[in-house]
Amino acid sequence: KNEVEQSPQNLTAQEGEFITINCSYSVGISALHWLQQHPGGGIVSLFMLSSGKKKHGRLIATINIQEKHSSLHITASHPRDSAVYICAVRSSGGATNKLIFGTGTLLAVQP
Amino acid sequence: DTAVSQTPKYLVTQMGNDKSIKCEQNLGHDTMYWYKQDSKKFLKIMFSYNNKELIINETVPNRFSPKSPDKAHLNLHINSLELGDSAVYFCASSLGLAGGLAETQYFGPGTRLLVL
Repeated sequence: KNEVEQSPQNLTAQEGEFITINCSYSVGISALHWLQQHPGGGIVSLFMLSSGKKKHGRLIATINIQEKHSSLHITASHPRDSAVYICAVRSSGGATNKLIFGTGTLLAVQP
Repeated sequence: DTAVSQTPKYLVTQMGNDKSIKCEQNLGHDTMYWYKQDSKKFLKIMFSYNNKELIINETVPNRFSPKSPDKAHLNLHINSLELGDSAVYFCASSLGLAGGLAETQYFGPGTRLLVL
């Protein structure tokens, strides 16, 4: 079992829909990252958070440390949001800045 | 003015060969990383250097050897390539250990390695 689990693995949505991607983890963490991998392969860091909520444009990320759970929300989804969304946690034990990755959620937004 | 660059972008080679992948960042960061993304798109850390010093060395075959000539460069040399080494290799950098605080990592475009 992975230390970082994401759901769903695959998600198809219609343009304009509100999208939620979930991430659960089983290790102690000091931070959680949400990354976006475009169809071309490039990886972009969307958020890094250790508590509460962050918002950037149509993207919102929340984290509940007690429940070891984070969600990434996309409001008013658009076909250009189609990508793989990856959750990664920075473990609070062991090597500094070591990221443990989830398996990703493949999002397809249809026009 | 690419922040994190990797060369080559694509690498096709025969089993048994030795190859290197280069990574450079112009962000002034102190920490650099190598990640491997397998065919199932699962990312896993391989190595991390901070100011040319190895700080993370995950369980990877010793055919893989990172080299950091300076803090802006982290190269990955692979000896005796095997079929299972086929993957996408991503380089990344972050500002530094910053007293243990987590930091945003900036990724390179990836190097797609195919071993035949």
